[in-house]
Amino acid sequence: QVHLVESGGTVVQPGRSLRLSCAASGFTFKNYGMHWVRQAPGKALEWVAAISYDGSDTYYADSVKGRFTFSRDNSENTLYLQLNSLRTEDTALYYCAKQAQAFAQAGWSHLDFWGQGTLLTVSS
Amino acid sequence: QSALTQPPSVSGSPGQSVTISCTGTTSDVGGYKRVSWYQQYPGKAPKLMIYEVSNRPSGVPDRFSGSKSGNTASLTVSGLQAEDEGEYYCSSYAGSNSVVFGGGTKLTVL
Repeated sequence: QVHLVESGGTVVQPGRSLRLSCAASGFTFKNYGMHWVRQAPGKALEWVAAISYDGSDTYYADSVKGRFTFSRDNSENTLYLQLNSLRTEDTALYYCAKQAQAFAQAGWSHLDFWGQGTLLTVSS
Repeated sequence: QSALTQPPSVSGSPGQSVTISCTGTTSDVGGYKRVSWYQQYPGKAPKLMIYEVSNRPSGVPDRFSGSKSGNTASLTVSGLQAEDEGEYYCSSYAGSNSVVFGGGTKLTVL
């Protein structure tokens, strides 16, 4: 059974940094591209970033490019999202999600499992 | 990376059918057969309902169907049931390894 458990969300001040994590289990983690998707309170889903199954390639939404860094540790079945230069508009529930197709290029495959999210609040 | 356009809300009575549209461009919806639909209940994670325009994952009732014409994709829910009430989001591959979501549609079962 696939499980994705996000952690690391908290309240931080604008301009600060934070790292989110996502622990995966129940599938062959190293074979699947993964994504972060966020949802501001009362707002729509917003794609944030994707990473290839082997971690060699990462892709970002324009709104976070240059500030966020997506990485993975396939030996620990864990994803990381490093968030720098945080802004109030980064306040959201951050979900990690798994691509359905093994070895598919990032973004090409739909997302078949999602975690429950971790809440980040950026506020002074 | 502009969001796909969805109607803010749709509604229908039990047993009726409703259709939710999702309009993009030739760079996303119109350019690829990679449209997905997700259902989200308040306080819950999204759940995949349709992938690759019209395919249903196992466990999703066949009351849910998807289609696409040009730059617009559609999700149709037939035989509405109370449990179908929730928020629905479309998503599309948008080229260059990116993904775009729609603004969401609240489905109300009257």
